[in-house]
Amino acid sequence: RKEVEQDPGPFNVPEGATVAFNCTYSNSASQSFFWYRQDCRKEPKLLMSVYSSGNEDGRFTAQLNRASQYISLLIRDSKLSDSATYLCVVLQGGSEKLVFGKGTKLTVNP
Amino acid sequence: GAVVSQHPSRVICKSGTSVKIECRSLDFQATTMFWYRQFPKQSLMLMATSNEGSKATYEQGVEKDKFLINHASLTLSTLTVTSAHPEDSSFYICSATELLNYGYTFGSGTRLTVV
Repeated sequence: RKEVEQDPGPFNVPEGATVAFNCTYSNSASQSFFWYRQDCRKEPKLLMSVYSSGNEDGRFTAQLNRASQYISLLIRDSKLSDSATYLCVVLQGGSEKLVFGKGTKLTVNP
Repeated sequence: GAVVSQHPSRVICKSGTSVKIECRSLDFQATTMFWYRQFPKQSLMLMATSNEGSKATYEQGVEKDKFLINHASLTLSTLTVTSAHPEDSSFYICSATELLNYGYTFGSGTRLTVV
């Protein structure tokens, strides 16, 4: 089983739509969780950290369920500029290593 | 904010030659740097972790004699792909963590094409 698994996608949605991405992780000792965004042929950029209490940043909401080892990202009122690949990333327990999911590609259409 | 500069951004080399990629932290001291490789439509895969002044720790399946990593100072790490072959063609990305300040900053990546 892969350490971090994501929805395979791709997701194609119209502008203004709400879209949700899911992610599961296998290592229960994982301690920190993130969503990164990666544009084509570019480096990943941190979108937001994910906390157990859930956190929101504008149109983006992230949730973590430690019991289920499940992470989610919700994007509301999607914009054309949200088109990218979204990476679920987990900090391996007891180390500084980040483990990346394969990513889910989102295309927002006009 | 923290900035990591990675060079070159793109390189094309002949099979059998070596290529060096540099990763510099511009405004902070990076105690640890990470090197990743990403093949098309795949996730970033960690190749090795390097700490300043010590030997790099390689992930399973990554040949340390082929991918030479040097982390001679707190602001510079280099990855040298030796005797490159077409199957080494990939997107290589470095990342650095800040001393006493949790966070990971990524370089802009190097697209290597071996012909």
